[in-house]
Amino acid sequence: DSGVTQTPKHLITATGQRVTLRCSPRSGDLSVYWYQQSLDQGLQFLIQYYNGEERAKGNILERFSAQQFPDLHSELNLSSLELGDSALYFCASSVAASSNYGYTFGSGTRLTVV
Amino acid sequence: TQLLEQSPQFLSIQEGENLTVYCNSSSVFSSLQWYRQEPGEGPVLLVTVVTGGEVKKLKRLTFQFGDARKDSSLHITAAQPGDTGLYLCAGLSSGTYKYIFGTGTRLKVLA
Repeated sequence: DSGVTQTPKHLITATGQRVTLRCSPRSGDLSVYWYQQSLDQGLQFLIQYYNGEERAKGNILERFSAQQFPDLHSELNLSSLELGDSALYFCASSVAASSNYGYTFGSGTRLTVV
Repeated sequence: TQLLEQSPQFLSIQEGENLTVYCNSSSVFSSLQWYRQEPGEGPVLLVTVVTGGEVKKLKRLTFQFGDARKDSSLHITAAQPGDTGLYLCAGLSSGTYKYIFGTGTRLKVLA
């Protein structure tokens, strides 16, 4: 157990729908990062929050949004889902806003859009 | 565009063989990490190297950070089937403070 908790583990939904992925960072970590990993692809950075504020944005679609709450958990909202959104979505956390020592990853949410 | 290129992209070897995976960039990194990811799971941090020329050993794994802090290597001695997975290097760019993941090396160790 890495200490980063992601729910749900698996999600199957239809095109056009909206889903919410949840992440609780490791205790004491203030930064949360969201990544997308499609089949046999690398990790694509989506967005980072630090202590409740958006810190950095990557290749996040306008249909996707995220937020970090006062208790530091984060949610990634995916709307108007398309088949191509099927992927593993990972959350990672770190203590600082920019970590020189890497991230701790959760075990991911596997999203399947049918 | 800052890239971390890994080579080889794929590697299939027999149990007991040695191997080296490379991670190269034209940019300087203040640190580099190596992760291993198993299918359906999140990447697990193996090591962090910070100082140019630094060498770290983790059992059969040896990690090296280049003198100029632009490249790194991972050497596995006497590979075992349990070493199978996707190996990712990643680093914090000194200039942009962006955290970048490498392109990945998929290793399969056959029993």
